[in-house]
Amino acid sequence: GNSVTQMEGPVTLSEEAFLTINCTYTATGYPSLFWYVQYPGEGLQLLLKATKADDKGSNKGFEATYRKETTSFHLEKGSVQVSDSAVYFCALSGRTGGFKTIFGAGTRLFVKA
Amino acid sequence: GAGVSQSPRYKVAKRGQDVALRCDPISGHVSLFWYQQALGQGPEFLTYFQNEAQLDKSGLPSDRFFAERPEGSVSTLKIQRTQQEDSAVYLCASSLEIAGGEGDEQFFGPGTRLTVL
Repeated sequence: GNSVTQMEGPVTLSEEAFLTINCTYTATGYPSLFWYVQYPGEGLQLLLKATKADDKGSNKGFEATYRKETTSFHLEKGSVQVSDSAVYFCALSGRTGGFKTIFGAGTRLFVKA
Repeated sequence: GAGVSQSPRYKVAKRGQDVALRCDPISGHVSLFWYQQALGQGPEFLTYFQNEAQLDKSGLPSDRFFAERPEGSVSTLKIQRTQQEDSAVYLCASSLEIAGGEGDEQFFGPGTRLTVL
């Protein structure tokens, strides 16, 4: 079945450092891929998405490219801020996978001033 | 309200009690999802509604779990004879579009934290 694997956290960075959070997936067909973020004390919210191979999703300085050949959707940001401290979830939903959205286990990011 | 709301936010139940968790989705949203999130894990799919029809309940862990959305709006997740392993955060999400398409954004509620003693 479909699955998502993302790098374990926590990830601790200093402000203005470069961020990469790895995400790989296994899926039947051509799923849509997402990054959701959960800030402290808040609910999950969509950060970005990509619906087909080679698409790049971007928002708030974060980017992720849908790589079919490596089945990956790594999240990147060039310069993190303290306010980016949160838990990040990679997820997929499939056109052939029914109605489920499959989430990774989440990666907690701490950014130090 | 503008977002998805859930009630109660916190629920403590004694083992064996029945509980009911409510979700008010964003008005007009066709799709509604329930998820279970254990501590330190990602949300696990429980069930999906398209309007009032429950099209996928494959994630419900046992027949003690039951969900309904009778008028295609508010939804209730009911857990009968609660067990300690049911302790988790239960998340509700709604989406404007039908699931299984290109993947429309899901809007999540704050969750209900259930603790079974």
